[in-house]
Amino acid sequence: DADVTQTPRNRITKTGKRIMLECSQTKGHDRMYWYRQDPGLGLRLIYYSFDVKDINKGEISDGYSVSRQAQAKFSLSLESAIPNQTALYFCATSDMNEGPHNEQFFGPGTRLTVL
Amino acid sequence: AQKITQTQPGMFVQEKEAVTLDCTYDTSDPSYGLFWYKQPSSGEMIFLIYQGSYDQQNATEGRYSLNFQKARKSANLVISASQLGDSAMYFCAMNPGDTGGFKTIFGAGTRLFVKA
Repeated sequence: DADVTQTPRNRITKTGKRIMLECSQTKGHDRMYWYRQDPGLGLRLIYYSFDVKDINKGEISDGYSVSRQAQAKFSLSLESAIPNQTALYFCATSDMNEGPHNEQFFGPGTRLTVL
Repeated sequence: AQKITQTQPGMFVQEKEAVTLDCTYDTSDPSYGLFWYKQPSSGEMIFLIYQGSYDQQNATEGRYSLNFQKARKSANLVISASQLGDSAMYFCAMNPGDTGGFKTIFGAGTRLFVKA
């Protein structure tokens, strides 16, 4: 089983709809992240969380909100989706005590299309 | 400003040949980490190799090596003996300072095409 899972894997929605993307991890990591990937822009950080009580905005948090329901779960919400939020969304985890390099471990991605 | 630049949007290489993917970075932090990730067409992000700013030797992982030139602020990925399965998007990334990863900055990526 994958260590970091994302649901749904693909979603098509309409402008103005509320959307929630979910991320779960079995790695026991304390840090979790949400990124979006756009062609030609690489990955950009939306939000990150160091633990259940610690939520921080990333580079492009406007239009998004998150919830860290448990150490293993980190959800991303689009309260009112707009077409320029069409992108590939990644959840990632890391832990200061795992891996010599603090590398991040990524989920498989969620492809979101807003019509 | 902290930044990663990948100037090659796309690269072609013949199977079994070596290829270098360019990456330059900018940071004022004396301590940082540099990463390369591979993204195949299926979309997942796969960690390939890491180089620390204080590492004396270039990192190697199998067919991957990182040509680290600190004075030039470059961290090029070298893939030896290219295989068809190496066709993918490749991202260079940096953790500036001792941030434990939360400030990871990614480049725009280079798409590699391996020709049979």
